[in-house]
Amino acid sequence: SQQGEEDPQALSIQEGENATMNCSYKTSINNLQWYRQNSGRGLVHLILIRSNEREKHSGRLRVTLDTSKKSSSLLITASRAADTASYFCATRTSGNTPLVFGKGTRLSVIA
Amino acid sequence: DVKVTQSSRYLVKRTGEKVFLECVQDMDHENMFWYRQDPGLGLRLIYFSYDVKMKEKGDIPEGYSVSREKKERFSLILESASTNQTSMYLCASILGQGSYGYTFGSGTRLTVV
Repeated sequence: SQQGEEDPQALSIQEGENATMNCSYKTSINNLQWYRQNSGRGLVHLILIRSNEREKHSGRLRVTLDTSKKSSSLLITASRAADTASYFCATRTSGNTPLVFGKGTRLSVIA
Repeated sequence: DVKVTQSSRYLVKRTGEKVFLECVQDMDHENMFWYRQDPGLGLRLIYFSYDVKMKEKGDIPEGYSVSREKKERFSLILESASTNQTSMYLCASILGQGSYGYTFGSGTRLTVV
């Protein structure tokens, strides 16, 4: 069951630009998380936002959550070539359920 | 640093073989998960476990089984490997419920020929 849907599927930007990725989901959630995956590797947890939160920051990352629209966005500011990766959103519907992942956005940052 | 270790990065097996994928975590996490990742399909949940000797089916359990005899180890078993099980397999663990992110292993890329 695919809960989250990322948009766009692929994004290519120049180094120093901001990158915005969006995630839409279908059912009510407990929290939403963003992960990064470098090519051929495991996923790395970036940030978690709870359903009662609207915005969260971590370094160059900014995540927003709009539960009325069932959507979230991940903004990476001042992107670097090292940010090139796939980014996934994942949702948890309640405290005791496994995460459900979207299909990801592939970000390419060109130096 | 906390770690989830998957025993093999790359594995090639023959159709019909019984395949064991091992996952070990050193964080005393109760909850462990197996996902498979395929192009265009994202991550799909195969099985998960909330405690020793416990297991729950995910979205695509057919053709797989799991074993959790010790808290730190969660094994995925392909009873009779088939070519449509060629995939990237990802193990993850988490402490408790809710407010944490998963820690993933580096993945095992399995090719069934």
